[in-house]
Amino acid sequence: EDKVVQSPLSLVVHEGDTVTLNCSYEVTNFRSLLWYKQEKKAPTFLFMLTSSGIEKKSGRLSSILDKKELFSILNITATQTGDSAVYLCAVDYLGNTPLVFGKGTRLSVIA
Amino acid sequence: DGGITQSPKYLFRKEGQNVTLSCEQNLNHDAMYWYRQDPGQGLRLIYYSQIVNDFQKGDIAEGYSVSREKKESFPLTVTSAQKNPTAFYLCASSIQSTDTYEQYFGPGTRLTVT
Repeated sequence: EDKVVQSPLSLVVHEGDTVTLNCSYEVTNFRSLLWYKQEKKAPTFLFMLTSSGIEKKSGRLSSILDKKELFSILNITATQTGDSAVYLCAVDYLGNTPLVFGKGTRLSVIA
Repeated sequence: DGGITQSPKYLFRKEGQNVTLSCEQNLNHDAMYWYRQDPGQGLRLIYYSQIVNDFQKGDIAEGYSVSREKKESFPLTVTSAQKNPTAFYLCASSIQSTDTYEQYFGPGTRLTVT
């Protein structure tokens, strides 16, 4: 059975800390891995990763994929309270079929 | 503006009543999806549709029904057979090309059944 596993499920850090969120997957015919940030409503797109070893960056956020070991990490440096959210990892396989989502990591950043 | 709209934002119903959640998109996406989100559960797929007049069950389809009569619209009915309907419901649509895949979400409907 295909699955996506995120860890940790929840995390509390202080402002300024650096965090690493993990996502491992077991799917056949992998195409891409996506990261989303969800605050109170709809998830918003962060990154899509298709190739191993190529880091994607957006400000203080970065992500990388390892297709050999079947995992991805999402790094957030110099965390701010506005980074508090649920971070969702999802995997696309076989194209245009539903994404398979992990349960998410709830990040809380305290001042 | 292009996007996905869901209505209503909040919905309250009595147990035993069917309720229909609206989802409309003007992104010209072929595929549309319904997810349910409960605390600590991530997103669970209810139904999806890849083309008009066709849809497939997801992981938790029991107690739900959908229709896809138009490309832009994918309404979800929560029937009285759904045992725990109180949840946050997200609609999404997607587009795929040879080298990219993007899935966009609506703002969600929070359903409370008492």
